[in-house]
Amino acid sequence: EPEVTQTPSHQVTQMGQEVILRCVPISNHLYFYWYRQILGQKVEFLVSFYNNEISEKSEIFDDQFSVERPDGSNFTLKIRSTKLEDSAMYFCASSEAGIRDRGYNEQFFGPGTRLTVL
Amino acid sequence: DQQVKQNSPSLSVQEGRISILNCDYTNSMFDYFLWYKKYPAEGPTFLISISSIKDKNEDGRFTVFLNKSAKHLSLHIVPSQPGDSAVYFCAASMSAGNMLTFGGGTRLMVKP
Repeated sequence: EPEVTQTPSHQVTQMGQEVILRCVPISNHLYFYWYRQILGQKVEFLVSFYNNEISEKSEIFDDQFSVERPDGSNFTLKIRSTKLEDSAMYFCASSEAGIRDRGYNEQFFGPGTRLTVL
Repeated sequence: DQQVKQNSPSLSVQEGRISILNCDYTNSMFDYFLWYKKYPAEGPTFLISISSIKDKNEDGRFTVFLNKSAKHLSLHIVPSQPGDSAVYFCAASMSAGNMLTFGGGTRLMVKP
């Protein structure tokens, strides 16, 4: 069964350093997302990406964050200058369609990257 | 942000019985709802969804009920199995976008 994959599974970095989290969405999916879950808190939406541009973003997704689809398979999240509060599980997700296209929006999640900022 | 709430942090059920997980929402603009299951150290796994034009959707042992007037949805698992033990999240979105807003989760424990 096709699945979303993410690398690395765990990333440790020093505060102020740049990190890039990588994801390979399901191959025929057109919509891509990043979410995060800080320990003990809810899963929070960061950004959605469609047709090579950001379609939605949350207040969390400030200028320190960026996303890119550098080739036909990878989808990346970059944090330019990490802060302690960026420590969280970061989940990538993808969906075949958006809710406006088909009326459904079943998003499939990867296993996550645990980011630890020291 | 309390737009989607799961008021029971945990639920314990005997194998073979029904599990009922509840979710409430406050934003009347939400019109599409999903349930996810999550095991430790894994990402959320999609279970079942429902559009606001329906009040029930069934898939095998899983049924989701939506009460729009009460802004309430529930997930029924019948019969419950030990492998169903996990954290269950409800999530909601609006037709204007694809962002999912998650509840805080309910930990389900199914005892053999």
